Amino acid sequence: DTGVSQNPRHKITKRGQNVTFRCDPISEHNRLYWYRQTLGQGPEFLTYFQNEAQLEKSRLLSDRFSAERPKGSFSTLEIQRTEQGDSAMYLCASSSTPGVGYTFGSGTRLTVV
Amino acid sequence: AQTVTQSQPEMSVQEAETVTLSCTYDTSENNYYLFWYKQPPSRQMILVIRQEAYKQQNATENRFSVNFQKAAKSFSLKISDSQLGDTAMYFCAFMKAAGGAQKLVFGQGTRLTINP
Repeated sequence: DTGVSQNPRHKITKRGQNVTFRCDPISEHNRLYWYRQTLGQGPEFLTYFQNEAQLEKSRLLSDRFSAERPKGSFSTLEIQRTEQGDSAMYLCASSSTPGVGYTFGSGTRLTVV
Repeated sequence: AQTVTQSQPEMSVQEAETVTLSCTYDTSENNYYLFWYKQPPSRQMILVIRQEAYKQQNATENRFSVNFQKAAKSFSLKISDSQLGDTAMYFCAFMKAAGGAQKLVFGQGTRLTINP
């Protein structure tokens, strides 16, 4: 068990470009979550997968955002036509029993210039 | 909707002192979980301690303990014999016990600095 892995750790992109982040959860965890954390704030929920099904999306997830979890394994989060307001840390977490807590990855820090 | 409030943006104490971080929350749920997570600088979020709302006994994990006051909707974290490695952002979080995504709702965080 190597924990939750996120790649890349850092991404700098120009406004208007598309970016994709990857999350590899703990293998036996069927639940996967994406959160966004801006500087000095607590993480905010973006979306939730149970196995391969995306069961809940936050209103924060605009049409430019899309997430997938093919075959219930790794997940990707894509942001199209990035804007400066998308600059944030994107956190992935996984769990098999949410009541005992999630395991978080180290995050992907996105900077849009 | 649930909300979590941490009223102390920053705190600073000397090594070996005891420090208490405050958290209040608002919910109409009767059964839920509460968590404290630690986020060291440039490192991942780590679970410190959790509390099940239906348990009256306060949770304890080594130097970390909570004071859970359900009626007051208060959930404070006490760190005893603080160490330099406790320096981090601390987030209080709420989770419904059942139904839906069981997503975590976080407070704004408290930046804790332990000084040598």
